[in-house]
Amino acid sequence: EAQVTQNPRYLITVTGKKLTVTCSQNMNHEYMSWYRQDPGLGLRQIYYSMNVEVTDKGDVPEGYKVSRKEKRNFPLILESPSPNQTSLYFCASSHHKEHYGYTFGSGTRLTVV
Amino acid sequence: GESVGLHLPTLSVQEGDNSIINCAYSNSASDYFIWYKQESGKGPQFIIDIRSNMDKRQGQRVTVLLNKTVKHLSLQIAATQPGDSAVYFCAENNAGNMLTFGGGTRLMVKP
Repeated sequence: EAQVTQNPRYLITVTGKKLTVTCSQNMNHEYMSWYRQDPGLGLRQIYYSMNVEVTDKGDVPEGYKVSRKEKRNFPLILESPSPNQTSLYFCASSHHKEHYGYTFGSGTRLTVV
Repeated sequence: GESVGLHLPTLSVQEGDNSIINCAYSNSASDYFIWYKQESGKGPQFIIDIRSNMDKRQGQRVTVLLNKTVKHLSLQIAATQPGDSAVYFCAENNAGNMLTFGGGTRLMVKP
């Protein structure tokens, strides 16, 4: 089944403790992206990647890092999480840069206390 | 319509009626638009897209209309069903590699 898989689905952590949210897709998509979703603000892009070893900042990249060492994986790294990073995170991938057929993962709900 | 405030605008319709969800986009240079549906506890799902060289596109029970003059996008759902209840987002491709999403509209279908 074609899908984008995020792990974990839920995570509660403490301020300052480094964490990684993994994202993997099995569709051989070139384009991958991370979004955060907050009440009333819709989805805001954190980082995106056009292909292996090619990443760029989105609208809200502060406090996050990403890497794209393999085509299928695009982990989101929070080196020192803070409470304002409590949010619902979505990974997405697409075969074309025009984003049609954009496939989203099921989301990771992160709480930083 | 679209909102970036704390509360999602809500559209409540009777089952079987047609629904129209509106979205105002910000960048006149945007060349590609998408509507997504997000059900509770799930990620957004692609519904339909439209390029800026078109003003209408139809899918199964859904139609997207684009008015570039006033930078307005709408999603029409025919014969709305309970399974259509969700939050709907419009998104615009305005910088080559980035999608910008609207705040979303909640559609509630009354049986």
